[in-house]
Amino acid sequence: GQQLNQSPQSMFIQEGEDVSMNCTSSSIFNTWLWYKQDPGEGPVLLIALYKAGELTSNGRLTAQFGITRKDSFLNISASIPSDVGIYFCAGRNTGTASKLTFGTGTRLQVTL
Amino acid sequence: DGGITQSPKYLFRKEGQNVTLSCEQNLNHDAMYWYRQDPGQGLRLIYYSQIVNDFQKGDIAEGYSVSREKKESFPLTVTSAQKNPTAFYLCASSMTSGGYNEQFFGPGTRLTVL
Repeated sequence: GQQLNQSPQSMFIQEGEDVSMNCTSSSIFNTWLWYKQDPGEGPVLLIALYKAGELTSNGRLTAQFGITRKDSFLNISASIPSDVGIYFCAGRNTGTASKLTFGTGTRLQVTL
Repeated sequence: DGGITQSPKYLFRKEGQNVTLSCEQNLNHDAMYWYRQDPGQGLRLIYYSQIVNDFQKGDIAEGYSVSREKKESFPLTVTSAQKNPTAFYLCASSMTSGGYNEQFFGPGTRLTVL
């Protein structure tokens, strides 16, 4: 099955820095989702995007649905230690019912 | 409390034994899903079900089986035919109508086959 390409694969940042990550696909999606997974836990939904060009925020997190519908971006502002984890993007096409295609993940580590 | 529960959190089995992982949800969601996650990788879909008594294979269904006898429950059996069963297994559920059918995940079960 297809997996989306996420970049970067991992990143070390200092507390207080801003973070950017992106996700690209060879296919068009109608919905983009961003999840965060803590070690040994299930992913938690952070942001959902439903329209090309849409920009949505959730606290310090901001995500955008790319105009081409083949990419999405997630930004975290003023990172804090609890931002540590793996961030996954996921895309859904209406032709695939509720099935999601997941990205390979971006591992974020925050140093004090 | 509404949510998705998976049990047990950790499971150990001997090679050649079948094992069943539990997934229950009280969100009144129509659809349920099973994913497998290997270290450093994303989530791969094993099976999914959009309605009771019906389910479809995902991308990596070989060596697994499921049932959906009740809306709230979607157990996954890892059979002895699965060549590399050690992994982290995640169950999810979602609505199937209304347009905003986001998947919500359980806490996962880590299966180790010795």
